[in-house]
Amino acid sequence: EAGVTQFPSHSVIEKGQTVTLRCDPISGHDNLYWYRRVMGKEIKFLLHFVKESKQDESGMPNNRFLAERTGGTYSTLKVQPAELEDSGVYFCASSQQLASSYEQYFGPGTRLTVT
Amino acid sequence: AQSVTQLGSHVSVSEGALVLLRCNYSSSVPPYLFWYVQYPNQGLQLLLKYTSAATLVKGINGFEAEFKKSETSFHLTKPSAHMSDAAEYFCAVIKAAGNKLTFGGGTRVLVKP
Repeated sequence: EAGVTQFPSHSVIEKGQTVTLRCDPISGHDNLYWYRRVMGKEIKFLLHFVKESKQDESGMPNNRFLAERTGGTYSTLKVQPAELEDSGVYFCASSQQLASSYEQYFGPGTRLTVT
Repeated sequence: AQSVTQLGSHVSVSEGALVLLRCNYSSSVPPYLFWYVQYPNQGLQLLLKYTSAATLVKGINGFEAEFKKSETSFHLTKPSAHMSDAAEYFCAVIKAAGNKLTFGGGTRVLVKP
């Protein structure tokens, strides 16, 4: 079974440009999460999809960030326009939609550098 | 609101020595607790989890953790460190299935020969 995949693994862009990160969850996982780790800080939650619906987007930093999950499969996270403080590692995770399912499976992350 | 505190952002241990990574949490409800590990250039991998069953939890690679409600702690241990244990370790808490994880700041472990 394939794990959570993320693309690209690295992205270097200039301030003001747009970047789109993609996450493919484990097949059959309805829950999809985005997290971010800014340099030197803890990993922080951004948002949570259940299928194609946003269940919780309380961690989204501002309206420069737009997440979508069309069709309830893969998800994209767009940053437009990117700022220097957006640099960090963006993780995606997925889990099953079960009352007893606590474990989230993480992808390798996308390292974003804004110069 | 939940929070997780990991004591020590860096820990250095000798090969064969005890590994002890400390994690304390604050939560308004009984939590579910996790330890994740991130090896260089890899994603987060689950080491072990506590979900209200046995308080002593055994995980992969010889790690274990003990949930102590009275101390609000979930410390991670391994009796004998191996070079391959060099990685960053994260403690995390979740209120319920399907909820977001709240992470501690991470502890980077260096294993000396």
